[in-house]
Amino acid sequence: DQQVKQNSPSLSVQEGRISILNCDYTNSMFDYFLWYKKYPAEGPTFLISISSIKDKNEDGRFTVFLNKSAKHLSLHIVPSQPGDSAVYFCAASGSNTGNQFYFGTGTSLTVIP
Amino acid sequence: DAGVIQSPRHEVTEMGQEVTLRCKPISGHDYLFWYRQTMMRGLELLIYFNNNVPIDDSGMPEDRFSAKMPNASFSTLKIQPSEPRDSAVYFCASSRQRSYEQYFGPGTRLTVT
Repeated sequence: DQQVKQNSPSLSVQEGRISILNCDYTNSMFDYFLWYKKYPAEGPTFLISISSIKDKNEDGRFTVFLNKSAKHLSLHIVPSQPGDSAVYFCAASGSNTGNQFYFGTGTSLTVIP
Repeated sequence: DAGVIQSPRHEVTEMGQEVTLRCKPISGHDYLFWYRQTMMRGLELLIYFNNNVPIDDSGMPEDRFSAKMPNASFSTLKIQPSEPRDSAVYFCASSRQRSYEQYFGPGTRLTVT
């Protein structure tokens, strides 16, 4: 059973516009969330994280929002650039998950020049 | 730092053969994780080690899968005998401690015919 879900397999956005990638989770004990970016033929690389004590974390063009009541988080990329084209995974961990992170299935973002 | 190193990058084998995947974590990292990526399930954790000791292997799909970490700088994931449904990309990742981001290797693409 998928505890972390990314329901949009793909997303296309024009360069310069905002990209919004969504992630839902089912385990209310999750308290730490990360986003990873993955280019073809490479391993995922860490992008940004957020703890459950916050509802927003910003790093340059990337902002992650957390809505604990809805068990939902989103990654905003503004402005989107062609180099942002990649697969984005969200991951979650919590005090009852035995030191492991649960990953979603990923969303493939294409930024159109 | 060279990052997490995995070998081989690609492996093609016939059903029934033994397959061994190798991983060298980042020096100083005391957690090591093995993941499998498929289209349907995204990134699944197979097993992870802390200070060379296996902590949770509940993600290992069958007894055909085994993993070892004989020292802090080397781990193997073995599949014996291999089956076509084992075809996937296998990632190794390491981290300093549970709540820190994980650093992934480039992955091994396994094809079992």
